[in-house]
Amino acid sequence: AAGVIQSPRHLIKEKRETATLKCYPIPRHDTVYWYQQGPGQDPQFLISFYEKMQSDKGSIPDRFSAQQFSDYHSELNMSSLELGDSALYFCASSWGEPGANVLTFGAGSRLTVL
Amino acid sequence: DAKTTQPNSMESNEEEPVHLPCNHSTISGTDYIHWYRQLPSQGPEYVIHGLTSNVNNRMASLAIAEDRKSSTLILHRATLRDAAVYYCIRNNAGNMLTFGGGTRLMVKP
Repeated sequence: AAGVIQSPRHLIKEKRETATLKCYPIPRHDTVYWYQQGPGQDPQFLISFYEKMQSDKGSIPDRFSAQQFSDYHSELNMSSLELGDSALYFCASSWGEPGANVLTFGAGSRLTVL
Repeated sequence: DAKTTQPNSMESNEEEPVHLPCNHSTISGTDYIHWYRQLPSQGPEYVIHGLTSNVNNRMASLAIAEDRKSSTLILHRATLRDAAVYYCIRNNAGNMLTFGGGTRLMVKP
């Protein structure tokens, strides 16, 4: 079965640079979520999109932005990178009734900021 | 605040059942109870969810207390591949899930 595809899997950037992560949801899933997981921490919700509109917003820094495109893939743009942005970034997708919907996560993109 | 309380860690022997408890004493009537797990270096993985009745699937069983203030995830026969952090999450009709304070399950051969 098709899963959530994230790219790139690994990314190394310098401080103050910009990075873009991509997420391709499971076909027919209408909601995409972004999570950030720092070393030894729990996944933290950043932002989500339903039918290409932002639906929920979590602890996403102002330096970050995201959007969902007409083909439902999503991109997370991160600018003015800081050392603390080094983390695993997970994308998830879902379809179905809010509350009962099941999220399927991708394998993650590991960002290292030097 | 979608708060749940779980033990920090638990140990189990391989091939034995595991009961992972979760307290959610402030749960509202429309909150679903979700369980996800995260294996090392992998994304979280859905395990099971329920609202009021007990639920079974190929991975696990979910036993929900009658007052819904607690629930228990049951792995019927733990394997080494079940070693992970297990998260119990209340989903209050929003789409996003809030992860926090899961149980690290260690399985001994």
